[in-house]
Amino acid sequence: GGIITQTPKFLIGQEGQKLTLKCQQNFNHDTMYWYRQDSGKGLRLIYYSITENDLQKGDLSEGYDASREKKSSFSLTVTSAQKNEMAVFLCASSKTGYEQYFGPGTRLTVL
Amino acid sequence: AQSVTQPDARVTVSEGASLQLRCKYSYSGTPYLFWYVQYPRQGLQLLLKYYSGDPVVQGVNGFEAEFIKSNSSFHLRKASVHWSDSAVYFCAVGMDSNYQLIWGSGTKLIIKP
Repeated sequence: GGIITQTPKFLIGQEGQKLTLKCQQNFNHDTMYWYRQDSGKGLRLIYYSITENDLQKGDLSEGYDASREKKSSFSLTVTSAQKNEMAVFLCASSKTGYEQYFGPGTRLTVL
Repeated sequence: AQSVTQPDARVTVSEGASLQLRCKYSYSGTPYLFWYVQYPRQGLQLLLKYYSGDPVVQGVNGFEAEFIKSNSSFHLRKASVHWSDSAVYFCAVGMDSNYQLIWGSGTKLIIKP
């Protein structure tokens, strides 16, 4: 088994601020993902990474940057936080590219 | 275009009753199929998966799903629901070897006492 850790659990920022979310996994999985989930909604893919130092854009990449410097970690940066932006950011990892395992999420609030 | 449809945003079921949550996908090839569950304020957990073989797959906590290729469906079932099954259920489909899942919009399951 393994675990995915996301930090911080809660993130409060100001409008226009650059904010970074972190994800660590000990599954030794090659592929990692960042999703955004708005309240009561489904998942939208922001970025994914097939291997260390690889980055692939998802449908929602505008306004975000990502970084995969180690196999076990995947960071997401909100480049300029938007006021009233409230969402949960979910990190996931996968060995097969399909069966994904999720972290508990980071809840973002922008004031 | 490839898509996954969960037509019921909310389903209400009495405790002890049977359950079916519907999922249909649009894809001409053979898909990889998943059901995930999300409890309040948590991440998603894998309930069950189908890659090939027996079209009826068993998952955790008494859930099962049946892949019907002719109907492009992968409905989730449970014979007798418990109050702890209250959650949001997501259907997801892998297609085209592109490392991505296509996600349904989710079905919120409400259990009546």
